Amino acid sequence: NAGVTQTPKFQVLKTGQSMTLQCAQDMNHEYMSWYRQDPGMGLRLIHYSVGAGITDQGEVPNGYNVSRSTTEDFPLRLLSAAPSQTSVYFCASSYGLTSGANVLTFGAGSRLTVL
Amino acid sequence: SQQGEEDPQALSIQEGENATMNCSYKTSINNLQWYRQNSGRGLVHLILIRSNEREKHSGRLRVTLDTSKKSSSLLITASRAADTASYFCATPQDFGNEKLTFGTGTRLTIIP
Repeated sequence: NAGVTQTPKFQVLKTGQSMTLQCAQDMNHEYMSWYRQDPGMGLRLIHYSVGAGITDQGEVPNGYNVSRSTTEDFPLRLLSAAPSQTSVYFCASSYGLTSGANVLTFGAGSRLTVL
Repeated sequence: SQQGEEDPQALSIQEGENATMNCSYKTSINNLQWYRQNSGRGLVHLILIRSNEREKHSGRLRVTLDTSKKSSSLLITASRAADTASYFCATPQDFGNEKLTFGTGTRLTIIP
């Protein structure tokens, strides 16, 4: 099993450009989510999905779009990149609440720099 | 907003010593998790403790949970160089919620 696969691993964008970070999982997980990790701020939830066709906002959703057309894929779109979106992005998935707890499997991360 | 805060922010110890890091959180929870992140990698789940448990062990890891103080601790015994990593606690945003909130992490360095 590949687990959670994120592409690309590194990306440099200019301000105003758009791009999509890809996330795919092969574990038949219903729950998928995107976090960003910034120095001194830990991980912050951007968007999440509890199943195909269902998405919802997390703590810091502005400037990002998501969709969930299949169980396996959960792409994160940056509509018009800004320097404040320079960060490391992590996709994480799980079976959802199992006996009341949500245990996440993370991808390796995508490092994005916006100039 | 951060739900969990780890303490200390950074910790350096000699190989073979024990490492203890703490997590404080703000709201009522039904479980708390600890994750490890090696440099340049994604987070890896280490251990989960439920609100009706006070202590849990997994190999060299010992986790405690004090719901009255809204705090948890992670103890790594007989540390190894491979334990060098950042450690994060994670809690549900609300009781029983699937959304997890992570703390800012403790950076642990094991000196050979």
